Amino acid sequence: KAGVTQTPRYLIKTRGQQVTLSCSPISGHRSVSWYQQTPGQGLQFLFEYFSETQRNKGNFPGRFSGRQFSNSRSEMNVSTLELGDSALYLCASSRIRSDTGELFFGEGSRLTVL
Amino acid sequence: KQEVTQIPAALSVPEGENLVLNCSFTDSAIYNLQWFRQDPGKGLTSLLLIQSSQREQTSGRLNASLDKSSGRSTLYIAASQPGDSATYLCAVGDNAGNMLTFGGGTRLMVKP
Repeated sequence: KAGVTQTPRYLIKTRGQQVTLSCSPISGHRSVSWYQQTPGQGLQFLFEYFSETQRNKGNFPGRFSGRQFSNSRSEMNVSTLELGDSALYLCASSRIRSDTGELFFGEGSRLTVL
Repeated sequence: KQEVTQIPAALSVPEGENLVLNCSFTDSAIYNLQWFRQDPGKGLTSLLLIQSSQREQTSGRLNASLDKSSGRSTLYIAASQPGDSATYLCAVGDNAGNMLTFGGGTRLMVKP
């Protein structure tokens, strides 16, 4: 059974550009959530999607957005990139909320903003 | 607002030692608690999941306990091995959705 797949694994952008990251959840998982990991702030919750609807959102500016498609795949977008957006972006999937709630993470997309 | 703290931040032990990693959280109204392992530059690997109604979970040499009333969880690693060297993260799941609040992690080094 394939795990959570994130693409691209590594990318370099310059300030002011935008970036789109993709996440394919484990087959059968309908919830996808995104986290940002930086050395200074650790792991922070960005948002969660379930059945194409954003159910929860962390404390990030509006430059961070996401969406989920009917096949549960998800994308997140960061516009007008800043140096501080350099981070490892992790996607996690889980089954429906009434289940154990166990989250399974992908390998992440490492974004460097120059 | 939930806050999760992990102590110690770093730990170095000789191979074969039994060790305990600590995690504390401020709000006892949790859905579950999950322990993860992260190797450098990698994603998170789920180690153990404890539901809010449970007291402990075991997997191989790992045992995790949960005391909701005191806001604490411990991860016990028996007979540590160099391959256990990694960062261990504790995360608390809230009741509102699939949102985890993470601790800062404990960086473990097991020396041969």
